[in-house]
Amino acid sequence: RKEVEQDPGPFNVPEGATVAFNCTYSNSASQSFFWYRQDCRKEPKLLMSVYSSGNEDGRFTAQLNRASQYISLLIRDSKLSDSATYLCVAFSGGYNKLIFGAGTRLAVHP
Amino acid sequence: GAVVSQHPSWVICKSGTSVKIECRSLDFQATTMFWYRQFPKQSLMLMATSNEGSKATYEQGVEKDKFLINHASLTLSTLTVTSAHPEDSSFYICSARDYLAGGNYEQYFGPGTRLTVT
Repeated sequence: RKEVEQDPGPFNVPEGATVAFNCTYSNSASQSFFWYRQDCRKEPKLLMSVYSSGNEDGRFTAQLNRASQYISLLIRDSKLSDSATYLCVAFSGGYNKLIFGAGTRLAVHP
Repeated sequence: GAVVSQHPSWVICKSGTSVKIECRSLDFQATTMFWYRQFPKQSLMLMATSNEGSKATYEQGVEKDKFLINHASLTLSTLTVTSAHPEDSSFYICSARDYLAGGNYEQYFGPGTRLTVT
């Protein structure tokens, strides 16, 4: 079983839609979580950090459920520019490194 | 967010030659930097963790004599791919950790270096 698992998608949604991605992690000792977005042939860019139960930044909301070991990312009012791969990432203090999910592809169409 | 630069952004070299990639944290000091590799349509694979002033820690299966890492200052880490071969062609991305107040941190990525070995 992978340490961080995501639905690979793709999620094809129209502009203005609300879309949610879920991510599960296997290491209950994971301390912090992050969502990155990665555009094709580019580096990952930090979208949001999640240290406690959740975080919100504009159209983006992340929720953390430690009991069920999952993190979600909600994108409201999708824009064409939101099309990218979204990477769910867990920080494992024991290994002192980020553990990446394989990513979820989002395609927003007009 | 913090800025990490990487140079060069792309390089083409002949088989057997060595290539050096530089990674710099521009607006913060990074005691810890990371080197990743990413093949097409795959997720990032951590190659090694680079700590300023000490030897890098390599992930299992990564040859330390082939991928030389130097982290001589708080803002610069270098990765040298020695005796490169076509199978080393990949997208190499560095990352630097910016520690925040309260003990949390955020990790930022450089723009990547696309290496093609012919």
